[in-house]
Amino acid sequence: AQSVTQPDIHITVSEGASLELRCNYSYGATPYLFWYVQSPGQGLQLLLKYFSGDTLVQGIKGFEAEFKRSQSSFNLRKPSVHWSDAAEYFCAVGVGDTGNQFYFGTGTSLTVIP
Amino acid sequence: ETGVTQTPRHLVMGMTNKKSLKCEQHLGHNAMYWYKQSAKKPLELMFVYNFKEQTENNSVPSRFSPECPNSSHLFLHLHTLQPEDSALYLCASSQGEVGATSGYTFGSGTRLTVV
Repeated sequence: AQSVTQPDIHITVSEGASLELRCNYSYGATPYLFWYVQSPGQGLQLLLKYFSGDTLVQGIKGFEAEFKRSQSSFNLRKPSVHWSDAAEYFCAVGVGDTGNQFYFGTGTSLTVIP
Repeated sequence: ETGVTQTPRHLVMGMTNKKSLKCEQHLGHNAMYWYKQSAKKPLELMFVYNFKEQTENNSVPSRFSPECPNSSHLFLHLHTLQPEDSALYLCASSQGEVGATSGYTFGSGTRLTVV
C-alpha cells in the first residue's frame, strides 16, 4: 500500500539556522510530490511540487526540496529559518495514472526559537 | 484570502443537532474535496466531487452527507454526530480531479466540536 512517512513529529530550530524536514514515500513508480504548510488555525498552503525534470525544486518563502529516487525521499530544506516559519509541514504524494490518489503524511511541527 | 472560503470557522454542536458546513471557491476549479484533520493523524479524504458529480466516498459514515450544487460550492451536512467526529474539516479544490498537476487549494477549515 502507498504511504507517506514524516519521521520527525516535532523539530525545534534557532532562528537563522538551516532546516531540513524529512519525507519518505512508498510507491512503485515516481509519484507527484508536494509540500504544504499549515499555520495555526489555517488551511494548508502549497509550498512546492515536483512532477519530473530537475530533482531540486524551488518553492515559495525560500523553501526548496530535493527528490531522491534511490531513497524514495523528498526532503524540504531552507537555508535560514525565520520565526514566521513556525508551523506544521505536510508532505503529500499523488499516485496513479493521473495522480488522483492523494496521500498526506502525519506532519512535522516546527518551532523556531529566537 | 486563499481563494477557498469555508464557513463557519468554528462550530459547536450537540450530538442530536443538524448543521451544515459550507465551502465556496471562485478559482474556476472543477474538483472539490472534503478532508478531515484530526490530531496526530494524516489528513483523511472524505469526499471528492468532479464537475458536481461525486466520484469518491471513502467509507464515510452516513451521518456525513455531502452536497455539491455547482462547481463552486460544496456543503457537508452533519447530523447525529459523535464526539470522535470533532476535528478540523478542510475543503479543497483543484483544476481537474487530480490535485496532482495543480495541487490543491485549501480553505482555512471549520473547527468542529461535538458535545
